Amino acid sequence: DSGVTQTPKHLITATGQRVTLRCSPRSGDLSVYWYQQSLDQGLQFLIQYYNGEERAKGNILERFSAQQFPDLHSELNLSSLELGDSALYFCASSVAGQHSGNTIYFGEGSWLTVV
Amino acid sequence: GNSVTQMEGPVTLSEEAFLTINCTYTATGYPSLFWYVQYPGEGLQLLLKATKADDKGSNKGFEATYRKETTSFHLEKGSVQVSDSAVYFCALSDLTNQAGTALIFGKGTTLSVSS
Repeated sequence: DSGVTQTPKHLITATGQRVTLRCSPRSGDLSVYWYQQSLDQGLQFLIQYYNGEERAKGNILERFSAQQFPDLHSELNLSSLELGDSALYFCASSVAGQHSGNTIYFGEGSWLTVV
Repeated sequence: GNSVTQMEGPVTLSEEAFLTINCTYTATGYPSLFWYVQYPGEGLQLLLKATKADDKGSNKGFEATYRKETTSFHLEKGSVQVSDSAVYFCALSDLTNQAGTALIFGKGTTLSVSS
């Protein structure tokens, strides 16, 4: 158990809909990261927050947004869903925001299926 | 840009065989290097890491040495077990964003060990 908690574990929704994925980081971790894992794209970094502020942005679509709240939990919002958004979405956390040796701990992921 | 290239899988071995999974990288600066493992139905777990050239990361019988001259971080284990069957990901820390840290992953190598 990494200590990173993600909900829901599985989600099925229709095209055009909007969903919210939730993440609670490990106790004491200030950074939260979101990754998308799909068969064709592999593991893609989406976005990082550190203590409530956006720190780094990867291949995140404009239809997707995220935020980190004062209690440090984070939410990833996915809107206008398309079939291609079906993937496993990982949340991860770490203590620091910008250290090259930073160990990043991953949750078990949220499976999103768009039908 | 930064990238990680892993050997194509799947890798199929008998129990107690020697394992090598090749990983090479392209990066600016001096990133840290990581191996993560994903067991069936689970999230990513950090297996080992190395933060500078010539460092050797090791854990659970797995080893990998940070080779700057060959830009490689090959994963090795002397005697694999059935329980090692999983997907292995090589990753590097992206240092191009001074504010944050993101991991760049390879596509993953599936290891299947039979008894």
